[in-house]
Amino acid sequence: NFMLTQPHSVSESPGKTVTISCTGSGGSIASNYVQWYQQRPGSVPTTVIYEDHDRPSGVPDRFSGSIDSSSNSASLTISGLKTEDEADYYCQSYDTRDHVVFGGGTKLTVL
Amino acid sequence: QITLKESGPTLVKPTQTLTLTCTFSGFSLSTSGVGVGWIRQPPGKALEWLAHIYWTDDKRYSPSLQSRITITKDTSKNQVVFKMTNMDPVDAGTYYCARTYLYGDLVWGTGTTVTVAS
Repeated sequence: NFMLTQPHSVSESPGKTVTISCTGSGGSIASNYVQWYQQRPGSVPTTVIYEDHDRPSGVPDRFSGSIDSSSNSASLTISGLKTEDEADYYCQSYDTRDHVVFGGGTKLTVL
Repeated sequence: QITLKESGPTLVKPTQTLTLTCTFSGFSLSTSGVGVGWIRQPPGKALEWLAHIYWTDDKRYSPSLQSRITITKDTSKNQVVFKMTNMDPVDAGTYYCARTYLYGDLVWGTGTTVTVAS
């Protein structure tokens, strides 16, 4: 079974850069697109990265996504951190049976 | 503009069947590449994918829950119906429906909160 594993939490200071990893197991992370969602408390998840590295309109270019096939992982990088970036972040992809797969989520604290 | 809205009971009793309806607009489930799925989130916990139905009427279920869940679509009404049998308090949480297109990102509904209690 294809699974995605994220760190439970990360923290960084305002203005700094943070990277959240999403490591695939049981399959190749490059086989299907990876998406990243931001979920603030009490809110619906919203897309910050789709198709590995594309940003929806309205998402600042401080957010970037990448894939590293050698480590079978995807990464979400947020530069110039702002307090408003504090949220839970989820990676998501698909497995070979067209099942949707989510990572366990990462709580980002900006302190 | 794509919108999805979940509807159904906010409270179900243990052992009962939960039935939720996703009513959407801005796209058709008969369009090639389109899918609609259900995801849930227990309070304070992570997102969990439950089921998906594709434009071909192909259905996919979470392996851990497939014995309890069914998903169907009514293309003419722009609706997808989700059923989960034998509800338990651990099944409480927010249930979302979401659209997908060609293995891309999910476009989410607003979510509906379900409580399981007698």
